[in-house]
Amino acid sequence: NAGVTQTPKFRVLKTGQSMTLLCAQDMNHEYMYWYRQDPGMGLRLIHYSVGEGTTAKGEVPDGYNVSRLKKQNFLLGLESAAPSQTSVYFCASSLTSSYTQYFGPGTRLTVL
Amino acid sequence: GIQVEQSPPDLILQEGANSTLRCNFSDSVNNLQWFHQNPWGQLINLFYIPSGTKQNGRLSATTVATERYSLLYISSSQTTDSGVYFCAVRGSTLGRLYFGRGTQLTVWP
Repeated sequence: NAGVTQTPKFRVLKTGQSMTLLCAQDMNHEYMYWYRQDPGMGLRLIHYSVGEGTTAKGEVPDGYNVSRLKKQNFLLGLESAAPSQTSVYFCASSLTSSYTQYFGPGTRLTVL
Repeated sequence: GIQVEQSPPDLILQEGANSTLRCNFSDSVNNLQWFHQNPWGQLINLFYIPSGTKQNGRLSATTVATERYSLLYISSSQTTDSGVYFCAVRGSTLGRLYFGRGTQLTVWP
């Protein structure tokens, strides 16, 4: 039982490049979330999903897209990376909205 | 959204000391979690505590939902307790968590 895993752990992009971050969970959770963490701040919600095939915007969705084609995977895409997207990205999952959220180890992204 | 305020922002202790971290929130919540972010950036679940009191070893937490605050107690601090402690609350909207800015704890030997 690996819990929540994220790929990759680190990435450096140039402005304008695209990339996809992968989140996988093996706990059969319905809900999945993408957060970003900037220095000196707590986490802010980018997008979330309440089940396979569904996605919704969070607090800071601009510049990101997501997909949940399989229940266990939640993908976060950056179509045209900007320096303002330099951050640490965390994925989380929960059984339902009422239950504990479990977090992955994070992806450190730098956009030059 | 729900405002979450944590205090103090920074705390420096010597090993063996006790501490209390506070989390105030602006609205009714259905869920409250405490996390420890270690120096490697990993977020570790400490407590899921929408109300009441829980204990886990040297750590304990109390949430008084009617008064909109939660407290995290750390007793007999160890250097491995260093890191940032986050409080996060969930309102009614589909499970999203609102995070505070955290308390940076440094424990010296």
